[in-house]
Amino acid sequence: GAGVSQSPSNKVTEKGKDVELRCDPISGHTALYWYRQSLGQGLEFLIYFQGNSAPDKSGLPSDRFSAERTGGSVSTLTIQRTQQEDSAVYLCASSSTGGWVTGELFFGEGSRLTVL
Amino acid sequence: RKEVEQDPGPFNVPEGATVAFNCTYSNSASQSFFWYRQDCRKEPKLLMSVYSSGNEDGRFTAQLNRASQYISLLIRDSKLSDSATYLCVVNRRPGAGSYQLTFGKGTKLSVIP
Repeated sequence: GAGVSQSPSNKVTEKGKDVELRCDPISGHTALYWYRQSLGQGLEFLIYFQGNSAPDKSGLPSDRFSAERTGGSVSTLTIQRTQQEDSAVYLCASSSTGGWVTGELFFGEGSRLTVL
Repeated sequence: RKEVEQDPGPFNVPEGATVAFNCTYSNSASQSFFWYRQDCRKEPKLLMSVYSSGNEDGRFTAQLNRASQYISLLIRDSKLSDSATYLCVVNRRPGAGSYQLTFGKGTKLSVIP
């Protein structure tokens, strides 16, 4: 498809388990962002990848969260030892090199994580 | 003070009404400003950029006041299809090679027949 693809779309897990969320950005987009959105809340920045530069991890809430981007394309967000407060929709977005100027991020439909 | 603040609403307006949303941002180093739209249980999508001189796109007008760190969105002749949450977005550069788009929590609009 032409858009940003995320998987799984829904994930229910037990507290303490690890989860991996995957993002396939739009082909050719060099910038990739992860955000999360809790119920009734705004989007919270997590991490930003731009080309081969070191990622901006300043938004990751704890060391249980990590993300990588392989080959400048697919990205995986990993949450270790999940907690109930991790329940949220995790949104991935990509943009072209100049996307940050235009402000146009293309979002995937998100991965809804529920931690029981 | 939160980095981007919006009135959460909801704003319930009749079709055809004019409605305005406001947004304030705290970081004077912010460089670019945008409005996104998010439909219920959908992903956000860019609605329009906000330029210093103000800009219009059909029924939508956006304005920026850098001195007051204030952004607005005006919707004229509201349609049922305008019902959504409108997110104020600010772009800043916290460090070399990094650009962050900071989203407000959004203002919910419901246009009523």
